[in-house]
Amino acid sequence: ETGVTQSPTHLIKTRGQQVTLRCSSQSGHNTVSWYQQALGQGPQFIFQYYREEENGRGNFPPRFSGLQFPNYSSELNVNALELDDSALYLCASSLGHRGDTGELFFGEGSRLTVL
Amino acid sequence: QKEVEQDPGPLSVPEGAIVSLNCTYSNSAFQYFMWYRQYSRKGPELLMYTYSSGNKEDGRFTAQVDKSSKYISLFIRDSQPSDSATYLCAMSARRRDDKIIFGKGTRLHILP
Repeated sequence: ETGVTQSPTHLIKTRGQQVTLRCSSQSGHNTVSWYQQALGQGPQFIFQYYREEENGRGNFPPRFSGLQFPNYSSELNVNALELDDSALYLCASSLGHRGDTGELFFGEGSRLTVL
Repeated sequence: QKEVEQDPGPLSVPEGAIVSLNCTYSNSAFQYFMWYRQYSRKGPELLMYTYSSGNKEDGRFTAQVDKSSKYISLFIRDSQPSDSATYLCAMSARRRDDKIIFGKGTRLHILP
């Protein structure tokens, strides 16, 4: 059983550019969540996707967008990058939607540096 | 006031000591209370969760939730150097995988 995998592991962008981060969910999981973890802070919820539809969003501007594909993998896109977007971006997968669906399984993250 | 408050530490204790980690929160809607452990350059992993109030024990770890005081704790007995990590308290209102609110995390060092 493979866990959650994310790519790339590290990347450097300049202010104003766009970035796409990718995530493969754990086998059998149909829900993907994205979190942003700034240095020295806890993860902050960006949004969640369930069966290819957005299923909740945190307090992030529209330039943060996402997709979930039929195989339940996911992308996080960030447009017009700002210096404050520098962070570890964590993808997490889980099973199901209704009731208590179990825990989140996190990947190791993609570390984004914006210069 | 932040929804979840957690002292970032660092906290250094000798091997074998009992460790106490704590968080306070303000949102009465929280029903799931979780503790995640995050090693350096890794993603968080769930250690324990409690639904509503009460205590839960798993090996050397005990989680406590006091909803009347909006206060949660994690105790680690017989601490080991391998327990050195950042411990994140986390809470959610609806499900264990939905819109989790994390504390800042407490950096813990267990000294051999």
